[in-house]
Amino acid sequence: EVQLVEYGGGLAKPGGSLTLSCAASGFTFSNAWMTWVRQAPGKGLEWVGLIKSKANGETTDYAAPVKGRFTISRDDSKNTVYLHMNSLKTEDSAVYYCTTVYRGHEFNYWGQGTLVTVSS
Amino acid sequence: EVVLTQSPGTLSLSPGERATLSCRASQSVSSNYLAWYQQKPGQAPRLLIYDASSRVTGIPDRFSGSGSGTDFTLTISRLEPEDFAVYYCQQHGGSLYSFGQGTKLEIK
Repeated sequence: EVQLVEYGGGLAKPGGSLTLSCAASGFTFSNAWMTWVRQAPGKGLEWVGLIKSKANGETTDYAAPVKGRFTISRDDSKNTVYLHMNSLKTEDSAVYYCTTVYRGHEFNYWGQGTLVTVSS
Repeated sequence: EVVLTQSPGTLSLSPGERATLSCRASQSVSSNYLAWYQQKPGQAPRLLIYDASSRVTGIPDRFSGSGSGTDFTLTISRLEPEDFAVYYCQQHGGSLYSFGQGTKLEIK
């Protein structure tokens, strides 16, 4: 059974940093492309960024609102993907989900999400 | 960047009725890489449809997707009580992904 478990959410101050982790199991993590998707309270879904597999160069891509501030990395030995968030803004407050990427185009497995609140 | 616009924002129907949800793209969606998700309160989204019309294994056949280019539709042929939720479309173009703003399907 595929499982994705996010952790590391919490309260951060504007301008601060936070790192989220997502531990994966039940599939061959090293072959998987992984993404982060966020959802502000009461709002819709927003794609944050992607990291491809090592076989695909571990290439990353980011949505415009987070580009230059957020970085995605992975540790295949730990079956874990990370979201490093810097220069946080209040508008980054959201539930952050990690997902697997199906065929490079859709998000087929999702974690339960972890809440990040950016507030002074 | 491809912007997806979903309509209506809210759809009020009764169990047993047919639901038609629309997703319109600001430019043609690459290779019809258009997906649909269902999200219930307090839960993560669930992938229903990919490639505009392919149903994920285990999704009931009352859910169907159609469309191409810039206009896509999710149809639920006969609503069950568990189908009332928020639905999102999502596309992949180039190196970017985007979601529509969602349609809330509520019980009338």
